[in-house]
Amino acid sequence: DIQMTQSPSSVSASVGDRVTITCRASQGLSSWLAWYQQKPGKAPKLLIYAASSLQSGVPSRFSGSGSGTDFTLTISSLQPEDFATYYCQQAITFPLTFGGGTKVEIK
Amino acid sequence: EVQLLESGGGLVQPGGSLRLSCAASEFTFSSYAMTWVRQAPGKGLEWVSSISGSGGSTYYADSVKGRFTISRDNSKNTLYLQLNSLRAEDTAVYYCAKDTQAGTTGWFDPWGQGTLVTVSS
Repeated sequence: DIQMTQSPSSVSASVGDRVTITCRASQGLSSWLAWYQQKPGKAPKLLIYAASSLQSGVPSRFSGSGSGTDFTLTISSLQPEDFATYYCQQAITFPLTFGGGTKVEIK
Repeated sequence: EVQLLESGGGLVQPGGSLRLSCAASEFTFSSYAMTWVRQAPGKGLEWVSSISGSGGSTYYADSVKGRFTISRDNSKNTLYLQLNSLRAEDTAVYYCAKDTQAGTTGWFDPWGQGTLVTVSS
């Protein structure tokens, strides 16, 4: 199985900050990677697919980059509604696997 | 607007069974692969099972293989997950989710609101 490792596991940031979350895969994924946002008590929401494609309706302050084994989710200017937990997920092969999550907290 | 509505969760004793349903609307259900993902209380996301649009291909996590069965009724626009031989570690919110494009992409949007399965005596 492909292991997905996210870092950091949590980050404290202020509104307006630039936040970067990384995701490393144990095997090459090409660009078969997605990012999700989850708020407490809610279902996850797709932000980025194919490593860098912005899902429709997602604000442009979210961006994704990377290929192979190393990927990054960047929030260019953190907004109050962005405080949430973020997950990466590989989609190149079954079993599909998620990273452990990164909680973005208010500083 | 695409909608996914799960039902069927509840409290069940270890070794028991449940059937989860996910009613889909506002898209051509048979054209899209569908997936179940679960989240144990306070934990991260765990992929459980996926099924192709026709139902002809199914995939399972090792943790549920042989105990859970995914299926779909395209005439009813409904996805199912049969949970047998339940264990305490199966306690979780179970989400159904739709593939983003016709066929199979492996990423999901949208997700349903989730249904809670609690396995306890």
